[in-house]
Amino acid sequence: GAGVSQSPRYKVAKRGQDVALRCDPISGHVSLFWYQQALGQGPEFLTYFQNEAQLDKSGLPSDRFFAERPEGSVSTLKIQRTQQEDSAVYLCASSPSRTQETQYFGPGTRLLVL
Amino acid sequence: GNSVTQMEGPVTLSEEAFLTINCTYTATGYPSLFWYVQYPGEGLQLLLKATKADDKGSNKGFEATYRKETTSFHLEKGSVQVSDSAVYFCALPWVQKLVFGTGTRLLVSP
Repeated sequence: GAGVSQSPRYKVAKRGQDVALRCDPISGHVSLFWYQQALGQGPEFLTYFQNEAQLDKSGLPSDRFFAERPEGSVSTLKIQRTQQEDSAVYLCASSPSRTQETQYFGPGTRLLVL
Repeated sequence: GNSVTQMEGPVTLSEEAFLTINCTYTATGYPSLFWYVQYPGEGLQLLLKATKADDKGSNKGFEATYRKETTSFHLEKGSVQVSDSAVYFCALPWVQKLVFGTGTRLLVSP
């Protein structure tokens, strides 16, 4: 079966542009997570969905970051008015259930803000 | 909250050398512990995990033992290959999310 997929794989944006990053989780997975990975660092949590409900958005760095998962499957992370400090790899992960701790990661979207 | 500390890299080894990457954790209770690997240009892949104290996780020749006495989960491999060159992350769950270490880059030369 297919794993987690993300698109685009690479995105170059000019400062001030809005961007949208897409995540297709493994089919049937209940939980979906977004992480931000700065160069040379480990991934850091951004937000978490259980089905369509966003249960934790404590990691979103500012109100310019917004995530949704309207039908409990595909998710979109949107960044408004991008800044240079937003440059990072954005990783999406999914998990089969609320209690399953193992997360399966996509290849990430590398965002470069110029 | 829960946290992990990993040894800094890079770790540079010759092929067939023995590998240890140290990871220690701080946690409430006894959560599962994970090692993830990130090959160049790719996302994270689960390498192995252990769900309770004294458990040993293993995969692809890598092993790690959950030691609650020393709060450690060190990654080991008896004989590394060039293809093992990657960044390795220790992680544990906290409030549904995963908390990662900063990663340790492994470079294996022929």
